Amino acid sequence: NAGVTQTPKFQVLKTGQSMTLQCAQDMNHEYMSWYRQDPGMGLRLIHYSVGAGITDQGEVPNGYNVSRSTTEDFPLRLLSAAPSQTSVYFCATRKPGSSQETQYFGPGTRLLVL
Amino acid sequence: KNEVEQSPQNLTAQEGEFITINCSYSVGISALHWLQQHPGGGIVSLFMLSSGKKKHGRLIATINIQEKHSSLHITASHPRDSAVYICAVVRTSGSRLTFGEGTQLTVNP
Repeated sequence: NAGVTQTPKFQVLKTGQSMTLQCAQDMNHEYMSWYRQDPGMGLRLIHYSVGAGITDQGEVPNGYNVSRSTTEDFPLRLLSAAPSQTSVYFCATRKPGSSQETQYFGPGTRLLVL
Repeated sequence: KNEVEQSPQNLTAQEGEFITINCSYSVGISALHWLQQHPGGGIVSLFMLSSGKKKHGRLIATINIQEKHSSLHITASHPRDSAVYICAVVRTSGSRLTFGEGTQLTVNP
C-alpha cells in the first residue's frame, strides 16, 4: 500500500514550458486535491475532485488544469509555466463522505520556474 | 487578516520542555486539523477534532469552539519533534480546508 505518490520530486522549467505533475493513490479515496505551498503562506487549494469525472476550482486555479479519468490518478497540468508558479506542490486525498476525515498527503513536488 | 492565525510563528525549546502552539480562526468551522510537516517536506495528519480534547502519546490537542481557538501541546519535547506544525480548519460552508501559515518548532538537545 503506497498511499499517495507524486512524481517528479523536483523539476526545473523555463518560462513558457508545460508539464504535468502526477499524483496517484491506492486507497480508493474519492476526494483528491492539489495544493501549493509558498513561504509565509499557508497551503492553498488549486483544484480538487470529488470523484472520477468531476473536478472543480479551488482558491488559486489560474494557470493550472486538472482531469480525473480514474479514481487513482489526479494529474495537475501547467500549460505555460511562469516564475510565479515556483512552489512546492502537494497532492492530498481523503476518504469519501465527511469533510472531517483524515487527509493523506503526498511527499510533494518542488517546482522551479526560471 | 488571515482567517486562520497561528502563534508563535517560530518556537525554540530545550529537550523536555512543555510546548504549546496556538491556532485562532475567524470563520465558522465543522472541524479542525493539526498537521505536522517534517524537515524533508512530508505532511502527516496528527489530529482531527470538532470538540473537546484528543491525546496521542505526548501530543494533546484541544479546541474551544465558542472562543474559536485550538491548542496543540507537546509534553516532554524531543529533538525529533522539530517540524512545522500546521493548523487547518474545515469551514461549515463547504468542505475545503483553510490553512494557517504554520509554526516552526525547533527542539534542541
